[in-house]
Amino acid sequence: GEDVEQSLFLSVREGDSSVINCTYTDSSSTYLYWYKQEPGAGLQLLTYIFSNMDMKQDQRLTVLLNKKDKHLSLRIADTQTGDSAIYFCAAGGFKTIFGAGTRLFVKA
Amino acid sequence: ETGVTQTPRHLVMGMTNKKSLKCEQHLGHNAMYWYKQSAKKPLELMFVYSLEERVENNSVPSRFSPECPNSSHLFLHLHTLQPEDSALYLCASSRGTDQPQHFGDGTRLSIL
Repeated sequence: GEDVEQSLFLSVREGDSSVINCTYTDSSSTYLYWYKQEPGAGLQLLTYIFSNMDMKQDQRLTVLLNKKDKHLSLRIADTQTGDSAIYFCAAGGFKTIFGAGTRLFVKA
Repeated sequence: ETGVTQTPRHLVMGMTNKKSLKCEQHLGHNAMYWYKQSAKKPLELMFVYSLEERVENNSVPSRFSPECPNSSHLFLHLHTLQPEDSALYLCASSRGTDQPQHFGDGTRLSIL
């Protein structure tokens, strides 16, 4: 079946940039998403990109899509302690497939 | 205000009890979903409803029974659950099944 893979952990220092990477297998995915989950809460849609785009910037967030390699990344500039959370990559067509989530630790 | 509201936020029940989880969305969406999130499987799709019809049932045991009476409400009826069913149950909705999903904060379910 279709799959989305991402690394499980990332640790960065406050003020540095964070880059979370993801690969997916479904080339027919219409949208690629990034969700954020904080403790005790559901998934919050952070940003998404259409499959015909290669970059999207939204304040501190930059999404890069390499459709040929089926690779998606999320860059968080000037990472803050409040960015500590689990970040889920997802690929959407008829059915959205979620990755296992990357836990981001931000050290003060 | 997430637009997707789940109740209750926490539920503790015995294996012989019957309870229901409720999800309500105020976003005008046509598709609604139930997910199970646990340490073993981070995010497991259980059911998908589109325009109040079930379009996906991911081999979920019959002790979980979904109900979608209208496009704004989704229920998950629970009976004779097992300890391994303890998890966070998340509801989501989207404009269409290929559109971004918006999640509620989940119901934390504990089976004694």
